[in-house]
Amino acid sequence: GENVEQHPSTLSVQEGDSAVIKCTYSDSASNYFPWYKQELGKGPQLIIDIRSNVGEKKDQRIAVTLNKTAKHFSLHITETQPEDSAVYFCAASKWQGGKLIFGQGTELSVKP
Amino acid sequence: EPEVTQTPSHQVTQMGQEVILRCVPISNHLYFYWYRQILGQKVEFLVSFYNNEISEKSEIFDDQFSVERPDGSNFTLKIRSTKLEDSAMYFCAGGDRTGDEQYFGPGTRLTVT
Repeated sequence: GENVEQHPSTLSVQEGDSAVIKCTYSDSASNYFPWYKQELGKGPQLIIDIRSNVGEKKDQRIAVTLNKTAKHFSLHITETQPEDSAVYFCAASKWQGGKLIFGQGTELSVKP
Repeated sequence: EPEVTQTPSHQVTQMGQEVILRCVPISNHLYFYWYRQILGQKVEFLVSFYNNEISEKSEIFDDQFSVERPDGSNFTLKIRSTKLEDSAMYFCAGGDRTGDEQYFGPGTRLTVT
């Protein structure tokens, strides 16, 4: 069935260090991979996404890479800041307007 | 910047009661979704809605659940007879005509006692 696995479940880094979160997906028909940031008491906020015809996408300190052959994608945050502390979710979907299948989430803590 | 809004922010109800959770999507959105998140767990898909009908639903979305877009702006989720295990955060989300990006509301915390 459709599944997205996410690792690690918790990640603690020092301010200024990089953070990497990895996800694997099971359904090879998946073609859209967003990342969400969820702060305490709020809804998931879309921060970056990548489509299957692209291998890498960057937006300032955030980048996402996709390896379709291996069915995995990663979120990279450079020069982390305390305000990056949140739970990050990866997700995958198969078609336009289709449901998102979420990973389990990674609680990122950036220590000043 | 327009945002998805949801009401109420917190709903407490007794087991067996009906609840209606409300969402106001962003005005140019065409795709609508409900997801839920049980405390400490991943976000789970419930149902998607497009062109005034359900386009997909999960196993969770049984006949106790229904969705409606009564007036072209609001999007509601009704649970007819709530169970203890329905306690969760319920998120509404919407997508524009490209259909990929989904924007989430702040959620309604449902507590069933």
